[in-house]
Amino acid sequence: AQKVTQAQTEISVVEKEDVTLDCVYETRDTTYYLFWYKQPPSGELVFLIRRNSFDEQNEISGRYSWNFQKSTSSFNFTITASQVVDSAVYFCALRGNFGNEKLTFGTGTRLTIIP
Amino acid sequence: DADVTQTPRNRITKTGKRIMLECSQTKGHDRMYWYRQDPGLGLQLIYYSFDVKDINKGEISDGYSVSRQAQAKFSLSLESAIPNQTALYFCATSGRGSRTDTQYFGPGTRLTVL
Repeated sequence: AQKVTQAQTEISVVEKEDVTLDCVYETRDTTYYLFWYKQPPSGELVFLIRRNSFDEQNEISGRYSWNFQKSTSSFNFTITASQVVDSAVYFCALRGNFGNEKLTFGTGTRLTIIP
Repeated sequence: DADVTQTPRNRITKTGKRIMLECSQTKGHDRMYWYRQDPGLGLQLIYYSFDVKDINKGEISDGYSVSRQAQAKFSLSLESAIPNQTALYFCATSGRGSRTDTQYFGPGTRLTVL
């Protein structure tokens, strides 16, 4: 069975601080895919990033960066110089390989950026 | 125009009523999904369809049914709504291959069952 754990239920930081959202996953598949989604207060789910298990290179996109560590089964998300617009619920998700292709979500981390 | 649309966006109904939520997509994706979101529980998969003739139950299909009318349309029905089906419902779509399987979500339907 697949499982995604986001232990941080809520985080609050002051604007311009850096913040890291943790994601730990469990799967028996040797090939799998990891995702992050953002849910702003308006409610929609916005895709942020997709990472394959065979590509451990970290990725940076503007103020966002992702640290994938297979050895610790973690896929953490860091926002640098946070802004009020970053306030949202962030979900980490896991998809397995053939025959196990459903997306399993964590319970989300609510991030509040204090102006 | 949005690639994945859901109607209605908000719905209030009474216990025992039949209700249908509709999803349409213009992304040309084969695969479509229905999820529900409850506070603190993340998203749970209700049903999914890998093509028009392939429909599968997800984690929480009891009390729900679906219809895949066309590649671009996937409807979710609550045959007899009950209050604990009050939730935010999302439709999602994805491609078939390993490079195109990212799921893209509609804007959601907020359903309240009184």
